[in-house]
Amino acid sequence: GESVGLHLPTLSVQEGDNSIINCAYSNSASDYFIWYKQESGKGPQFIIDIRSNMDKRQGQRVTVLLNKTVKHLSLQIAATQPGDSAVYFCAENTGGFKTIFGAGTRLFVKA
Amino acid sequence: GAVVSQHPSRVICKSGTSVKIECRSLDFQATTMFWYRQFPKKSLMLMATSNEGSKATYEQGVEKDKFLINHASLTLSTLTVTSAHPEDSSFYICSAGRTSGTQETQYFGPGTRLLVL
Repeated sequence: GESVGLHLPTLSVQEGDNSIINCAYSNSASDYFIWYKQESGKGPQFIIDIRSNMDKRQGQRVTVLLNKTVKHLSLQIAATQPGDSAVYFCAENTGGFKTIFGAGTRLFVKA
Repeated sequence: GAVVSQHPSRVICKSGTSVKIECRSLDFQATTMFWYRQFPKKSLMLMATSNEGSKATYEQGVEKDKFLINHASLTLSTLTVTSAHPEDSSFYICSAGRTSGTQETQYFGPGTRLLVL
């Protein structure tokens, strides 16, 4: 069935380096994508979103890239900090507010 | 920013009892709320869409008689796990949708950890 998934289950980076988390989606009709950060025992926290009419969007230290040709989404975190350690989910909005989550990538930041 | 709360934050119950979890949008009205379930080291799985004033819409494989949802007001949705069993132990997360102009944003609650003994 249609799904949103991630290439890498875990990612370990050195503090100060840039992080790239990847995501593949399969529903070509999806037009809205979101990245969430989830810390242990907490609910997901919105990071950044992008609509299908864009291929790049930047926030504070984060950038989301969308490649519709290969149905690929990525989250780039600049100058990764220990506080960035968490699980990151890409999510696909399938209409209205209904959101389907990908598998998640755990980011470890080494000091 | 918009805030969504859940109560309780964690609950332990005996097998066979029912547990109610509340989800509240604190500073906005939400006609649509969502309930998710998350197992350890897994992703969030959408269980159902809670619609204010009407029946909830359940995802495939989710038992509506097991997981009762009530969305009686624009700021409150409840999830009741009926006749809970150990396999129902999980992290339950709700979210509420907020519309501002053409922007639709979903805000998540902090989650409720349920342990059924």
